[in-house]
Parts: sequence; structure tokens; C-alpha cells
Amino acid sequence: NAGVMQNPRHLVRRRGQEARLRCSPMKGHSHVYWYRQLPEEGLKFMVYLQKENIIDESGMPKERFSAEFPKEGPSILRIQQVVRGDSAAYFCASSPDVGYGYTFGSGTRLTVV
Amino acid sequence: EDKVVQSPLSLVVHEGDTVTLNCSYEVTNFRSLLWYKQEKKAPTFLFMLTSSGIEKKSGRLSSILDKKELFSILNITATQTGDSAVYLCAVEAVYTGNQFYFGTGTSLTVIP
Repeated sequence: NAGVMQNPRHLVRRRGQEARLRCSPMKGHSHVYWYRQLPEEGLKFMVYLQKENIIDESGMPKERFSAEFPKEGPSILRIQQVVRGDSAAYFCASSPDVGYGYTFGSGTRLTVV
Repeated sequence: EDKVVQSPLSLVVHEGDTVTLNCSYEVTNFRSLLWYKQEKKAPTFLFMLTSSGIEKKSGRLSSILDKKELFSILNITATQTGDSAVYLCAVEAVYTGNQFYFGTGTSLTVIP
């Protein structure tokens, strides 16, 4: 079991471009969570998805950010028209069901230049 | 291969007990070690440790890092039922950017 796979590990985008971050959950896990880590602030919840459904997006910025978890393939966190303040580490975690522990991926470091 | 190992995997104690959680790591280009308390949706940041031998303390929680032996401990004294959670350890490494490696966590249950 390869664990939670995130790619790319590092992503550099110019202001105004789009960033796509991918997360493949562990085998058998149908729940995916996205977090953002800003320097010295710890992990901030963004969105919780199950297959084809967004369950809780209370932590997502209202504009430019979106997430999906299609029936087939990885979960995608999409950031349109990136700005410097989007620079952060983005983590994905998966779990098999509610109430079970999470397994975290190694994160994607987004740098906006 | 970089990795972070936490022990024990789970722990059940009674209120008032003191617990020690362990985190060992094999990570090159180490920058910092972080402890989180994981409840519900979002882990809560507890400590960031960068220097050996300097204890960080917050209420009943304390943590220390040993960069020579490559481990950290998280102590919780006078445990309460509200301490029940999964405690995550993560190590930050510096490569071309910063990478984080998470342990699988220690599940702590505090019984009244």
C-alpha cells in the first residue's frame, strides 16, 4: 500500500496562473480531506470530500479555490489566478470512513512568484 | 527513505495519569519537528521544536527534542477526558522547498 500520494511535491506558478494539486488516497479510502499549512500557523482545514461529493467546504476561500473527488482518479484541489498569498504547503489526508484516523500525504509545496 | 515513526499506536489511560508519546525520525535535512492534536476535521498545532534539549511547555503539555538520538517526546500530565485524540508528529525537511513527513499518530483515550 503506497499510502496517500500527492503530486507534484513542488509547484511553482506565476501570479495569475492556475495550480492543480492532486491527491490519491490510500487504497480502500473514500474520504479525502485537504489542508493548508501557512508558516507558523499549523494545518488549516479546507475541504472534506467523499467520492463525487463535497461534504464540507467551510474552510475553502470563497473565490478561486475548488476541489473535486471524481468517481475515478485522484482528488484535485484547483486554485485559479494564484496570488502570492496562496504560497503554502497543501496536505491531503484520507480515511476509510468517518471516525477512523487519517493518513496524511507528504504535501505539495506551492510557490507563487 | 525519510520516515517518522510514532509509538505507541494507541494508549488507554485513566484521568489523572501522565502519558509520554514518542516520535522517532529518520529524515535528512531536518528543519523542525511539529506536534499536532488531531480531533474531528483539523489537527491543532501544539509545538514546533527546532533545537535539542529545550523543553517547550503549554499547560499540562510539554515536549522536547533530541537531535542526536533523532526523537521527540510529548508529555501530558494529569490527563483529562478532553485529551482523548490522535496525536500526530511531523518532521519538516528542507530540500528545494520544505517537505513534511507525518507519523501515523498515537491514539490516546482517557477514561474517566
